[in-house]
Amino acid sequence: DTGVSQDPRHKITKRGQNVTFRCDPISEHNRLYWYRQTLGQGPEFLTYFQNEAQLEKSRLLSDRFSAERPKGSFSTLEIQRTEQGDSAMYLCASSFFHSEETQYFGPGTRLLVL
Amino acid sequence: GENVEQHPSTLSVQEGDSAVIKCTYSDSASNYFPWYKQELGKRPQLIIDIRSNVGEKKDQRIAVTLNKTAKHFSLHITETQPEDSAVYFCAAVSSRSNDYKLSFGAGTTVTVRA
Repeated sequence: DTGVSQDPRHKITKRGQNVTFRCDPISEHNRLYWYRQTLGQGPEFLTYFQNEAQLEKSRLLSDRFSAERPKGSFSTLEIQRTEQGDSAMYLCASSFFHSEETQYFGPGTRLLVL
Repeated sequence: GENVEQHPSTLSVQEGDSAVIKCTYSDSASNYFPWYKQELGKRPQLIIDIRSNVGEKKDQRIAVTLNKTAKHFSLHITETQPEDSAVYFCAAVSSRSNDYKLSFGAGTTVTVRA
């Protein structure tokens, strides 16, 4: 499968624990986006990278959230001191510089915070 | 920021009938409008998109129309089949910034009755 991949697909954690998710974009896609989707809603933008540079963060991304894309390839999203309100599907998408607005999504990581 | 509203939230159609989903957007600078289909537990899949220099686009049984003056766009599915059952999301991208982030509607759950 040459599409966007995410790992893990599911994560159950206890409140207060830290979690980290990984996204592998489509090869040679220079832009990588993170979105959050809660039940019954459309995805909401969290942050994005152009190559290794993180260029924008939504106000939804509190100080407990951090994202990296160290070599301009895969990205990680870490949530520290998880809260029940962090329970959601975390989606990653990537796009190519020839058509940067056309984003292809990964299968997501579903997080449940108990 | 951009605000996208989507109607209806649920849609039930008889197999073979047409389905229409409508979206409105608030930012007059939006110039790219993709539609995603999301089946239960799967990734959002890009099914069709339209840019602001085009009024209509077709791809087999699906079509999208755009009215820039009224700031609304619609998805039309003809000859619906059971495999069209899914949640459909419209989205918009504004040209005001260089981030190309997607602003999504809340989604429409389409059920095709056999």
